[in-house]
Amino acid sequence: EPEVTQTPSHQVTQMGQEVILRCVPISNHLYFYWYRQILGQKVEFLVSFYNNEISEKSEIFDDQFSVERPDGSNFTLKIRSTKLEDSAMYFCATSGGYRTDTQYFGPGTRLTVL
Amino acid sequence: AQKVTQAQTEISVVEKEDVTLDCVYETRDTTYYLFWYKQPPSGELVFLIRRNSFDEQNEISGRYSWNFQKSTSSFNFTITASQVVDSAVYFCALSSQGGSEKLVFGKGTKLTVNP
Repeated sequence: EPEVTQTPSHQVTQMGQEVILRCVPISNHLYFYWYRQILGQKVEFLVSFYNNEISEKSEIFDDQFSVERPDGSNFTLKIRSTKLEDSAMYFCATSGGYRTDTQYFGPGTRLTVL
Repeated sequence: AQKVTQAQTEISVVEKEDVTLDCVYETRDTTYYLFWYKQPPSGELVFLIRRNSFDEQNEISGRYSWNFQKSTSSFNFTITASQVVDSAVYFCALSSQGGSEKLVFGKGTKLTVNP
């Protein structure tokens, strides 16, 4: 069964450093998302991406964040200058041919900012 | 604005008991979609079910069943004859066709099934 994959599974970084989280969507999926979950809390939407551009972003997704799909396969989330409060689990999700199709989630990347 | 409320923070049951997880949602859109996801201790989010606002039929899948009631804006999830492997955090989520496709999640219900 096709699945979303994410790398790395765990990333530890120093405050102020840049991190790039990677996601490989399910092949032929067209809609891509990033969500985050601070430990013990609910899952929060960050950004949606379709046709090589952001379709929506939340208040959390400020100028420190960016997304791209550089090579047509990987979908990346970059945090330019990490803060302590960026520590969270980051989930990539993808869905098929319609914007309200079911979103399938990757296993997540746990980001720890020291 | 869209909102999902899962009032039960934690539930603990003994194996083989039935358990119902509540989900109440708010949306002004007439077309919307409701979801349940399971998050086991390993951390991933596993899709369980998707239901659109025009389909109020209840659904059963093995030991799982879902009760969608538009009149009360609820989409409850029942596990029959619970097992230890059902222990997880369960999230209810909402997206709408009229608005964005983003999922709005509830805070989750942590279910512990004890042997």
